[in-house]
Amino acid sequence: EDKVVQSPLSLVVHEGDTVTLNCSYEVTNFRSLLWYKQEKKAPTFLFMLTSSGIEKKSGRLSSILDKKELFSILNITATQTGDSAVDLCWGNMLTFGGGTRLMVKP
Amino acid sequence: DAGITQSPRYKITETGRQVTLMCHQTWSHSYMFWYRQDLGHGLRLIYYSAAADITDKGEVPDGYVVSRSKTENFPLTLESATRSQTSVYFCASSPGTRNQPQHFGDGTRLSIL
Repeated sequence: EDKVVQSPLSLVVHEGDTVTLNCSYEVTNFRSLLWYKQEKKAPTFLFMLTSSGIEKKSGRLSSILDKKELFSILNITATQTGDSAVDLCWGNMLTFGGGTRLMVKP
Repeated sequence: DAGITQSPRYKITETGRQVTLMCHQTWSHSYMFWYRQDLGHGLRLIYYSAAADITDKGEVPDGYVVSRSKTENFPLTLESATRSQTSVYFCASSPGTRNQPQHFGDGTRLSIL
């Protein structure tokens, strides 16, 4: 059975901190791992990772995949209160992780 | 406007009633999905469809029925609603392959009394 596990479940930091969110996966016929951000409404797409070791970046956010150890991390530097959200990891279409609830305090 | 729309946005109904949640997308995406989101469970896949007239079960299909007679529509029906089906339901679509990012609707908040 495919499984995607995220850690930590929740995280509280202060503005300016750097955070690292983890996603480990066990999926058959792995093709890609995706990160989404969910604020109050629907999830919105952040990154899609298919190859090991290649970092994807968008502003203060970055993500990388390790296909040997079966995990990915999402890094957010210089956090802002607007980063408060649930970050979701998704593997192979059918399986979302439970999410990490990030709260950034002023 | 192009996009994915769900209706209704909010629905309250009673146990035993049939209720249908609608999902419509204008991108002609091949794949469409239905998820439910509950506290403590994240997003769980109910059903998905790879094309018109092709549907498949996800993680939690029991109590739900889907159909896809047209590419753009993917309704989800609860044939006899139960309280455990109280949830937020999200519809999503993605282009031709299984590993393109999904685009989500704004969700339907369903309460079953």
